[in-house]
Amino acid sequence: QKEVEQDPGPLSVPEGAIVSLNCTYSNSAFQYFMWYRQYSRKGPELLMYTYSSGNKEDGRFTAQVDKSSKYISLFIRDSQPSDSATYLCAQVAQGGYSSASKIIFGSGTRLSIRP
Amino acid sequence: EAQVTQNPRYLITVTGKKLTVTCSQNMNHEYMSWYRQDPGLGLRQIYYSMNVEVTDKGDVPEGYKVSRKEKRNFPLILESPSPNQTSLYFCASSSTTEGYEQYFGPGTRLTVT
Repeated sequence: QKEVEQDPGPLSVPEGAIVSLNCTYSNSAFQYFMWYRQYSRKGPELLMYTYSSGNKEDGRFTAQVDKSSKYISLFIRDSQPSDSATYLCAQVAQGGYSSASKIIFGSGTRLSIRP
Repeated sequence: EAQVTQNPRYLITVTGKKLTVTCSQNMNHEYMSWYRQDPGLGLRQIYYSMNVEVTDKGDVPEGYKVSRKEKRNFPLILESPSPNQTSLYFCASSSTTEGYEQYFGPGTRLTVT
């Protein structure tokens, strides 16, 4: 079983829709959870991060972590064509982000927003 | 401009011919890392380094070597490349106080024939 599972998509929604992207993970030691966005032919860039369970909001984006079910989500409200990209969830393993750390990425979900 | 640079961006080589992909960052970051990205498998960590002369294996270190002699540079070495190392490679760096925010380079597309 992979440590982080993510539906690869592709996911296609109309402009203005609410998008829900999800990951599950198996390692209870994960404490820091990140979402990265990757445009075609570019390196990933950090979109949001959260620590432990709960919600975090940043503009149209909300990251949600449920540690009891080992489930993390990213919600995009009022989706725009510029949101079309691959979204990767990531977790920090062993020691937390401030010490020697492996970082585990999901396989990414490809999202397309139709104008 | 704060950035991570990788060279070369594209490389086609033959099995067994040693190669090095360079990575350099100008943000004085302690943490640097190499990943490979393959369809359906996502980003997988090859090696990472917490600081100069401190390196550790990620999930897929076989067939790769790294060194960290200077803080800004973290080259990836393939001593004897094989076709299964054909992939898109990314270098990344971050500060240890904000390790969740990694800055990625533009990627190196490697083809081994």
